[in-house]
Amino acid sequence: DGGITQSPKYLFRKEGQNVTLSCEQNLNHDAMYWYRQDPGQGLRLIYYSQIVNDFQKGDIAEGYSVSREKKESFPLTVTSAQKNPTAFYLCASSPAWNTEAFFGQGTRLTVV
Amino acid sequence: AQSVTQLGSHVSVSEGALVLLRCNYSSSVPPYLFWYVQYPNQGLQLLLKYTTGATLVKGINGFEAEFKKSETSFHLTKPSAHMSDAAEYFCAVSESGGSNYKLTFGKGTLLTVNP
Repeated sequence: DGGITQSPKYLFRKEGQNVTLSCEQNLNHDAMYWYRQDPGQGLRLIYYSQIVNDFQKGDIAEGYSVSREKKESFPLTVTSAQKNPTAFYLCASSPAWNTEAFFGQGTRLTVV
Repeated sequence: AQSVTQLGSHVSVSEGALVLLRCNYSSSVPPYLFWYVQYPNQGLQLLLKYTTGATLVKGINGFEAEFKKSETSFHLTKPSAHMSDAAEYFCAVSESGGSNYKLTFGKGTLLTVNP
């Protein structure tokens, strides 16, 4: 089945450690996105990528980094510079600009 | 700049009652509008979308929304609520055209359905 796979579903890390969240899609979509979700805050865009080897900062990119070496993959690294990393992270993809985004099941990151 | 305002962070209805979730947007260009649903600890699923054409849009699970340009609104409705409709609903907007894509979400409305 085609879709977006995020792994792991739950992730625990100690404060000060970098952590990488995986996002893979087999929908052949060009565009991919990372959102952060906090209770009562909606979804906020971290990074997005229109094409392989290119990506742009979203609204809250500080403390995060991404790469887009393959069309199918868009991993997100939460660095120690992110002051409040505990959140629910959602990856999405879309076939072209201004079409609906398809979402993965999310990764809940808890930093202790 | 674009933005989305969802009126009411929590809406409670009885089973069988009308569901009305409100969404207002701002956009400097003609918008594309979306409603998504999210069940606990899951990703978002598209309910419906408006891009161009007919302003009354029908989606999955009996939901529909009407684009009203004069009111900058895109309210979501369902004639009769089911228990399975209990979830969080997000309205989103993107700007048609342009070279940079950005989908902006509202803060969400949690729908509770009472038996």
